[in-house]
Amino acid sequence: KNQVEQSPQSLIILEGKNCTLQCNYTVSPFSNLRWYKQDTGRGPVSLTIMTFSENTKSNGRYTATLDADTKQSSLHITASQLSDSASYICVVTLMDSSYKLIFGSGTRLLVRP
Amino acid sequence: KAGVTQTPRYLIKTRGQQVTLSCSPISGHRSVSWYQQTPGQGLQFLFEYFSETQRNKGNFPGRFSGRQFSNSRSEMNVSTLELGDSALYLCASSLDWNTEAFFGQGTRLTVV
Repeated sequence: KNQVEQSPQSLIILEGKNCTLQCNYTVSPFSNLRWYKQDTGRGPVSLTIMTFSENTKSNGRYTATLDADTKQSSLHITASQLSDSASYICVVTLMDSSYKLIFGSGTRLLVRP
Repeated sequence: KAGVTQTPRYLIKTRGQQVTLSCSPISGHRSVSWYQQTPGQGLQFLFEYFSETQRNKGNFPGRFSGRQFSNSRSEMNVSTLELGDSALYLCASSLDWNTEAFFGQGTRLTVV
């Protein structure tokens, strides 16, 4: 079954600290993996998009890694800020006869001062 | 450049009614996708339109339909509303399915 699982479900960290969010998937065949940030009540904003041949991709303080062999991805946030408080959603694109987006349930991050 | 615009932002409807939501994509984007987001189910893919044709469809009943116009603007229609249709409906536009998608702010639909 094609699934995307994210962990932890929620996370609380202190401002300035680093954190890592995990995404494991069983989607096959795989086309790309995306990380989105979603503030409460707003639409998701794209952070990174990686194909199977890419191991790492950065967007400012956000760095995503991908291991296509183990079907794992992580999103590392460096020197967290209060504005990083949001839900982070991992999305994997399944590509067979057509494409289909498989969404993870997200990790809710709270950054405290 | 202007982002993805969804209208209306909020909507309250009664069970059994129908509703139409609108999405104006970023200029030049021909792909428009629609999603339903609920606390219990998370984000779920509804359908995608590309150059006025529905190219992909999620697992939703036929009460959910959409269309895309020649200017790439898209509408989503839900008929015979049910309480469970209460959700945040998001649309996203992109150049194509495998490129970065930009989301609108969503339409919050409440069915009473």
